[in-house]
Amino acid sequence: AQKITQTQPGMFVQEKEAVTLDCTYDTSDPSYGLFWYKQPSSGEMIFLIYQGSYDQQNATEGRYSLNFQKARKSANLVISASQLGDSAMYFCAMGRYNAGNNRKLIWGLGTSLAVNP
Amino acid sequence: DVKVTQSSRYLVKRTGEKVFLECVQDMDHENMFWYRQDPGLGLRLIYFSYDVKMKEKGDIPEGYSVSREKKERFSLILESASTNQTSMYLCASSPETGVSPLHFGNGTRLTVT
Repeated sequence: AQKITQTQPGMFVQEKEAVTLDCTYDTSDPSYGLFWYKQPSSGEMIFLIYQGSYDQQNATEGRYSLNFQKARKSANLVISASQLGDSAMYFCAMGRYNAGNNRKLIWGLGTSLAVNP
Repeated sequence: DVKVTQSSRYLVKRTGEKVFLECVQDMDHENMFWYRQDPGLGLRLIYFSYDVKMKEKGDIPEGYSVSREKKERFSLILESASTNQTSMYLCASSPETGVSPLHFGNGTRLTVT
């Protein structure tokens, strides 16, 4: 069965430090994509970063990078130089290439990140 | 930038009322989705649509219906609202090509009293 697990319900980090948010996934499909989204207290879900299962390099987008370890089935989000505005819920999600494209993503339950000044 | 607009940010309805949640996207996306989000349960897919007049049930379709008469608009309908439908509702859209990120609206926080 397809599954996303985020084991950290809540995390704290000092401003300007780096933080890693964990995500492990379970799939038997060879082709899939992994997403990270941020949800501030305002409620909007914001797409952060994407990693395809066949991508050779880890994805990076500004201060966000994805530590993709395919053999371990993990796709951890690394936020460098944390800012107060990074305080939010973070969700990991997986989509399959052969399931009507991205029609049905599998979602984790999220990690609440608090950045302390 | 893709814009997904949900008609209401907050909504309060009474039990038994028929409720319409509207969502409009401006990027000609084929796919549109309705999720509900509850604490501890994450995002759960209610319905999605991959084309005009086409729809598929998600994980929790009971008590809901949808309508997609035009490509840019996807409506979620609660035929007879109940208190257990009090939740945050999120609309999203995406193109049909490849595995693409979903673009979300700001959400509608619905309270049924």
